[in-house]
Amino acid sequence: AQSVTQLGSHVSVSEGALVLLRCNYSSSVPPYLFWYVQYPNQGLQLLLKYTTGATLVKGINGFEAEFKKSETSFHLTKPSAHMSDAAEYFCAVRDGGFKTIFGAGTRLFVKA
Amino acid sequence: GAVVSQHPSRVICKSGTSVKIECRSLDFQATTMFWYRQFPKQSLMLMATSNEGSKATYEQGVEKDKFLINHASLTLSTLTVTSAHPEDSSFYICSARESGGDEKLFFGSGTQLSVL
Repeated sequence: AQSVTQLGSHVSVSEGALVLLRCNYSSSVPPYLFWYVQYPNQGLQLLLKYTTGATLVKGINGFEAEFKKSETSFHLTKPSAHMSDAAEYFCAVRDGGFKTIFGAGTRLFVKA
Repeated sequence: GAVVSQHPSRVICKSGTSVKIECRSLDFQATTMFWYRQFPKQSLMLMATSNEGSKATYEQGVEKDKFLINHASLTLSTLTVTSAHPEDSSFYICSARESGGDEKLFFGSGTQLSVL
């Protein structure tokens, strides 16, 4: 069975500071990994995804994530936080049948 | 890009009534759609997988008679919450897999259901 663990339900950073949201996964097959962002009362927007190939994946809004198989991790980073980055972030893993399992989510707060 | 339309975005109903939520793929065909439920400040929990022309597959613990799913066409899946109760109040989100496409899934904008 696949699962996703997001370390830290809340992360607070200052504007301009590095953003690091942690995600570890377990999967019996090569995983497809995703990061989604959700703004209040809205659906999910895909930030980035890893399927195969390059392990450093760049997404929208300046976010990127690195797939590390040895650490079973897929942490999300952004060099400089912006106020508009404040939202809920979900890491997800998908099996071959397209069933997507989400982590518990991490709420990012950005302080001025 | 592909768009999934979910309607209504918000619904308030009385206890005991039924509510239907629609999920439409606007510019692509979706053989498979997924329905998720999200409680406040929690993650998305998969409720069921909906395949066009066949019965939905429900996750463990989800009552199929309470949450009726119909996927009658390649562009439309519906979730009906029957005899709704306050504990059914939640945010429901659908996603659609593009037929013949790669690994892309597209999410609807969600429906906030409040049962009084």
